Amino acid sequence: DAGVIQSPRHEVTEMGQEVTLRCKPISGHNSLFWYRQTMMRGLELLIYFNNNVPIDDSGMPEDRFSAKMPNASFSTLKIQPSEPRDSAVYFCASSFTGLGQPQHFGDGTRLSIL
Amino acid sequence: DQQVKQNSPSLSVQEGRISILNCDYTNSMFDYFLWYKKYPAEGPTFLISISSIKDKNEDGRFTVFLNKSAKHLSLHIVPSQPGDSAVYFCAASGDAGNMLTFGGGTRLMVKP
Repeated sequence: DAGVIQSPRHEVTEMGQEVTLRCKPISGHNSLFWYRQTMMRGLELLIYFNNNVPIDDSGMPEDRFSAKMPNASFSTLKIQPSEPRDSAVYFCASSFTGLGQPQHFGDGTRLSIL
Repeated sequence: DQQVKQNSPSLSVQEGRISILNCDYTNSMFDYFLWYKKYPAEGPTFLISISSIKDKNEDGRFTVFLNKSAKHLSLHIVPSQPGDSAVYFCAASGDAGNMLTFGGGTRLMVKP
């Protein structure tokens, strides 16, 4: 079975450009999570969707960040405009809803903003 | 304020010996705990979990222990193998929607 698929795997762009990260969750999972991993802050939750609806976006750092889930099989995380401090590894994860249901992670997008 | 802490950033163990990774939490509302393993350039992979109604859960070489009164959990790997070398994250959930709060991770190195 296919796992969580993220694209691109690596993205290098200049400050001020728009960046779009993509995620395809595991088929049948109804919860989707976006995380950011940095050396300073570790793995932090940005936003959580349940049945395609954003439930908690309190981790989204600024208005420059936005996330959408137009259907059950696709989500995007957009940064506009991007800044060097946005450089990090961004992970998408999906799961069934329910206490204790493990989240399954994609391999991440390594983002470098120059 | 970190609600889940892994105070040891790294741990080195000889192959065949026991590895013990520790995790502390502060939020008494957490009632489910998970361990993830992460290799470089890959996403975290779910390893083992435990509900707050239990104090031990075992899966092959991996055992997780939970001490609710101390708000402490640990992951034991016996025997340790070089392939276990990775970063291990503990995570906690107190939410039916299974949002997780992660610790900072511990890098385990198993020497042959």
